[in-house]
Amino acid sequence: GAVVSQHPSRVICKSGTSVKIECRSLDFQATTMFWYRQFPKQSLMLMATSNEGSKATYEQGVEKDKFLINHASLTLSTLTVTSAHPEDSSFYICSARDDSTSGGNNEQFFGPGTRLTVL
Amino acid sequence: DAKTTQPNSMESNEEEPVHLPCNHSTISGTDYIHWYRQLPSQGPEYVIHGLTSNVNNRMASLAIAEDRKSSTLILHRATLRDAAVYYCILRDNWAGNTPLVFGKGTRLSVIA
Repeated sequence: GAVVSQHPSRVICKSGTSVKIECRSLDFQATTMFWYRQFPKQSLMLMATSNEGSKATYEQGVEKDKFLINHASLTLSTLTVTSAHPEDSSFYICSARDDSTSGGNNEQFFGPGTRLTVL
Repeated sequence: DAKTTQPNSMESNEEEPVHLPCNHSTISGTDYIHWYRQLPSQGPEYVIHGLTSNVNNRMASLAIAEDRKSSTLILHRATLRDAAVYYCILRDNWAGNTPLVFGKGTRLSVIA
């Protein structure tokens, strides 16, 4: 199946710094990518939908100025957590579908996740 | 997407079959039933999906009730590597490129 990669897989940073997470679709094009966040023992929560060449769409309660999303190409989306604080510590997962498929029966591919720890 | 209901947790012995249930009483005619699983500290991965007929693949089988209001994911021989959270998700065929919405899922523990 198609592969979605994320980098870095793990990051530890000091409070107040910014952290950038990259998400790449390795063997397919993705006009749209999705960013999820997962806290311990909880399910995945959708943060935003990233659209190539246009602004991201954020879910209610997610601060767009804090979680900057850039989708510069059909294979790359980045999430920047600005001025990170300990409460931003979480597991961040990106996801995408292949542009060449459509319909409710097509698979959504997920990255391996990035574990962010803010001290 | 319509809502699904799954047990919070289940336990199985290694090498025995596991039946993971999912209720989706408000499913619409164009909703596909998807199953994904998430291994510890990893992103979710696709398991199987179906519309009306039962489905088999190398990972699992999906049994869909005749009225489509429930389904069961079947792992024929559970291994320790199958310990994960399993998510049952409905997705409308006309949903376009909208994201999957995850519920709480079922946490499967496999005992050696």
